[in-house]
Amino acid sequence: AQKVTQAQTEISVVEKEDVTLDCVYETRDTTYYLFWYKQPPSGELVFLIRRNSFDEQNEISGRYSWNFQKSTSSFNFTITASQVVDSAVYFCALSEAEGEGGSEKLVFGKGTKLTVNP
Amino acid sequence: EAQVTQNPRYLITVTGKKLTVTCSQNMNHEYMSWYRQDPGLGLRQIYYSMNVEVTDKGDVPEGYKVSRKEKRNFPLILESPSPNQTSLYFCASCPTGMNTEAFFGQGTRLTVV
Repeated sequence: AQKVTQAQTEISVVEKEDVTLDCVYETRDTTYYLFWYKQPPSGELVFLIRRNSFDEQNEISGRYSWNFQKSTSSFNFTITASQVVDSAVYFCALSEAEGEGGSEKLVFGKGTKLTVNP
Repeated sequence: EAQVTQNPRYLITVTGKKLTVTCSQNMNHEYMSWYRQDPGLGLRQIYYSMNVEVTDKGDVPEGYKVSRKEKRNFPLILESPSPNQTSLYFCASCPTGMNTEAFFGQGTRLTVV
């Protein structure tokens, strides 16, 4: 069964600090997809990144970077030089590929609440 | 603009009074799903639909019904709401399945008293 664990319930940092949000996943599939979503205080869910299990290259997008390591079943998210606008709840999620028909579900971790203080 | 629209955004109701939360998407997506979000539990899937007239249970389907009579709409029905269904609800749609980027509605905050 799929499972996503975000061990950090809440993190508080001061602006300009770097912060890493941890995500550990469990799956028996060899083909799967990993995601990060952001939920700002306004409540909507914002897609950040999607990664498939065959692509272990790290990715950088501005101040955001993601480290995917299959050996440790982790997909960690780092924000460099954090800003107050980064304050949000961040969810890691996993979807298992189910042949050609697409996956039935996205399994979410419980989320990490990040507070960036000025 | 590509979007998923949920209505209402906020709802307070009484126990046992049937209600429907609507969800509509304008992207011609085949897949739609409902999630509920509760503190400390993250988001959990209630029901999903792989296509018109095809629906199936997610992880927490008890007390909910859905229908998919047309591709764009996927309403969530609470026949007899109870206080434990107080939650934040999200509708999502994807082109085929949840292994692609999901588009979420703005959320519906439901309170059952």
